[in-house]
Amino acid sequence: NAGVTQTPKFQVLKTGQSMTLQCAQDMNHNSMYWYRQDPGMGLRLIYYSASEGTTDKGEVPNGYNVSRLNKREFSLRLESAAPSQTSVYFCASSYERKGEQYFGPGTRLTVT
Amino acid sequence: AQSVTQPDIHITVSEGASLELRCNYSYGATPYLFWYVQSPGQGLQLLLKYFSGDTLVQGIKGFEAEFKRSQSSFNLRKPSVHWSDAAEYFCAVGGTGGGNKLTFGTGTQLKVEL
Repeated sequence: NAGVTQTPKFQVLKTGQSMTLQCAQDMNHNSMYWYRQDPGMGLRLIYYSASEGTTDKGEVPNGYNVSRLNKREFSLRLESAAPSQTSVYFCASSYERKGEQYFGPGTRLTVT
Repeated sequence: AQSVTQPDIHITVSEGASLELRCNYSYGATPYLFWYVQSPGQGLQLLLKYFSGDTLVQGIKGFEAEFKRSQSSFNLRKPSVHWSDAAEYFCAVGGTGGGNKLTFGTGTQLKVEL
């Protein structure tokens, strides 16, 4: 099993450009999550999907959109990137609502 | 609202010494508690978890943590640290009262001196 995979690993965008971060899991998990990690701030939840067909806002959703494409895939879209969105983005999944979350390797995004 | 405090930003220990990383949480219901470890440039790996039952939980790599409800704490311990334990450690809290969401602390960076 590959676990949680994310693409791309690195990305540089100019202000105003758009992009989609892809995430897939092969563990048959129901719930999936997107976090951003910034120095000194830990991980902050952007959006999550408790099950296929549902999505909900997390702590820092502004400037992002998500799509739960199917049970395996959960994408994060930046419509108009801003320098404040420079961060490392992690996708995670869990089998049930209280379950431990399993993380992907991350995408390092720089917006200039 | 749920929250997690990791009061130590950086900790340095000598190889072979014991380790304790502190974690205090705020949660309105029965908490689920987790410790994760992150090596440079990597994702987060689960070390251990507490849902209920025995308040002393064992994890991978020789780590353990103790849940103390009266102190709202879930401190991580290891009797003898190895150089490969150098990493960043995150405590997280979740539970039925918070839906799916985990709230993470800001992390403790562990340095191991040889």
